Amino acid sequence: DQQVKQNSPSLSVQEGRISILNCDYTNSMFDYFLWYKKYPAEGPTFLISISSIKDKNEDGRFTVFLNKSAKHLSLHIVPSQPGDSAVYFCAGGATNKLIFGTGTLLAVQP
Amino acid sequence: NAGVMQNPRHLVRRRGQEARLRCSPMKGHSHVYWYRQLPEEGLKFMVYLQKENIIDESGMPKERFSAEFPKEGPSILRIQQVVRGDSAAYFCASSPRASGNSQETQYFGPGTRLLVL
Repeated sequence: DQQVKQNSPSLSVQEGRISILNCDYTNSMFDYFLWYKKYPAEGPTFLISISSIKDKNEDGRFTVFLNKSAKHLSLHIVPSQPGDSAVYFCAGGATNKLIFGTGTLLAVQP
Repeated sequence: NAGVMQNPRHLVRRRGQEARLRCSPMKGHSHVYWYRQLPEEGLKFMVYLQKENIIDESGMPKERFSAEFPKEGPSILRIQQVVRGDSAAYFCASSPRASGNSQETQYFGPGTRLLVL
């Protein structure tokens, strides 16, 4: 049972443009959501989070939007930079654990 | 301010051997979580521990796997009699408080890549 889904395995974007990464979830009990960025052979690095009672959170170039009625969240990166190229995981926060999606590989072309 | 430390970074074992993975949480963090990532998949929760206590092991396989977080020293994930299907990246994370309703961010280590031959 995949409670958190990232249906796009990969995304390619031009440098300077907006990257939009999407995530859907089925578990209404998540209290918060997080986005992590992961480079090969490294651990996930925390990017940004959002409480389930909010619909938007912004931190610099990163903005996360939450649509609870659609059970959908998205991460916007503006402007995209080549250093943003990595795998991005969304995760739902439940008691004692995080439930991760399968990740989206973002490639930002110079 | 060192982050979460894991060692070894790479571990090769033959079928039937034991694997011991170590995790030192960030300074001031007393909550440790273990996750496993199989190839082409996301991270899957295994176990959540506080000092000397296992709080949630709902993601741990019933056999061969065990975890501890002693009063002194790192958290240990132990896999007995490893099989090829245990080959994966094992990540440890830590948080200063319980990562449930308080929305605590979990900070991850670099992982241990286990290869079973």
